[in-house]
Amino acid sequence: AQSVTQLDSQVPVFEEAPVELRCNYSSSVSVYLFWYVQYPNQGLQLLLKYLSGSTLVKGINGFEAEFNKSQTSFHLRKPSVHISDTAEYFCAVSETDSWGKLQFGAGTQVVVTP
Amino acid sequence: GAVVSQHPSRVICKSGTSVKIECRSLDFQATTMFWYRQFPKQSLMLMATSNEGSKATYEQGVEKDKFLINHASLTLSTLTVTSAHPEDSSFYICSASNRVRGNQPQHFGDGTRLSIL
Repeated sequence: AQSVTQLDSQVPVFEEAPVELRCNYSSSVSVYLFWYVQYPNQGLQLLLKYLSGSTLVKGINGFEAEFNKSQTSFHLRKPSVHISDTAEYFCAVSETDSWGKLQFGAGTQVVVTP
Repeated sequence: GAVVSQHPSRVICKSGTSVKIECRSLDFQATTMFWYRQFPKQSLMLMATSNEGSKATYEQGVEKDKFLINHASLTLSTLTVTSAHPEDSSFYICSASNRVRGNQPQHFGDGTRLSIL
């Protein structure tokens, strides 16, 4: 079984400042990794995913994440945030041999202020 | 990108009512659909996985007679909350994916806010 830990429940950040959201996982097998964003009263939108290959993954809206196998981490970053980035962010993992079954972290609330 | 439509977006009903939630994939064939439940300020908890044409697989602790799932076509899955009670109030989210197309991520609907009075 796998587990996902998002170390920060809430991250306040000023507009145009950088932000990093931390995600660590544990699994006894290979995994796929995802970051999703959720706006209030909406479903989840995929920001980016790591399946294989380059460990630096670029996603939508200027976000990127780096897979670090030795540290079992998949931290999300954005160099300059906008007010519109205020949302809940979820890290998720899926074991490669149990296709599609996602385990989500607890989520990180990002609040961007002017 | 892929679009998943979930309907209704919000339901308010009396205790004892059965409520049906629809999840449709609009521009791709969803061989697999997932149903999640999300409590306020918490993460998503997988309730069940449904593959088109077969019975859903429920996660431990989820009552299959309480949460009926049907996935009769490649574009539609339904979740019926039978005889709903206030403790069933929650945000329900579906997602869809096409397993044949390989390691495709799930595409999520916008969720259904269920409030049982």
